[in-house]
Amino acid sequence: EPEVTQTPSHQVTQMGQEVILRCVPISNHLYFYWYRQILGQKVEFLVSFYNNEISEKSEIFDDQFSVERPDGSNFTLKIRSTKLEDSAMYFCASRTLAGVRETQYFGPGTRLLVL
Amino acid sequence: AQSVTQPDIHITVSEGASLELRCNYSYGATPYLFWYVQSPGQGLQLLLKYFSGDTLVQGIKGFEAEFKRSQSSFNLRKPSVHWSDAAEYFCAVYNAGNMLTFGGGTRLMVKP
Repeated sequence: EPEVTQTPSHQVTQMGQEVILRCVPISNHLYFYWYRQILGQKVEFLVSFYNNEISEKSEIFDDQFSVERPDGSNFTLKIRSTKLEDSAMYFCASRTLAGVRETQYFGPGTRLLVL
Repeated sequence: AQSVTQPDIHITVSEGASLELRCNYSYGATPYLFWYVQSPGQGLQLLLKYFSGDTLVQGIKGFEAEFKRSQSSFNLRKPSVHWSDAAEYFCAVYNAGNMLTFGGGTRLMVKP
């Protein structure tokens, strides 16, 4: 069964460093998402991406964040200058384009720790 | 704004006992509702979803959920819990912006 994959599973970085989180969505999916979950808090939407551009973004997704689909398979989230409060589990998700009712399939997450 | 509330942060049940996890939503239109499960070290796996039609929906792993518009609820149930069901369970709703809004999650522990 096809699945969303994410690398790395864990990343530790120093405050102020740039990090890139990688995701490989399911191959025939066209809509991509990033969510995050700060420890002990809700899963929160960050951004959605379709047709090589951001479709929607939340207030959390400020200028420190960017997303990219550098090739036909990868979907990345970059945090330009990490802050302590960026420590969280980051989930990638994807879905087909068929309609808003389509299920979002999630990857296993990347746990980011900013020191 | 749309919101989802899961009133129970932790629930402990004995193996073989029945389970009900509560979910309440706030959404003006017909909601698209989901239950996801997250096992340790795993991603979010879809258990079931409700869009329209029959208000009792069946999912994987023997789970079901019932949509009750009058109570703004979408509670998850299982008649007999297995130790492997220990995990965190998330209720979510699709909002108008095409993203999911999640509840805070309920951590299920299963006693032998």
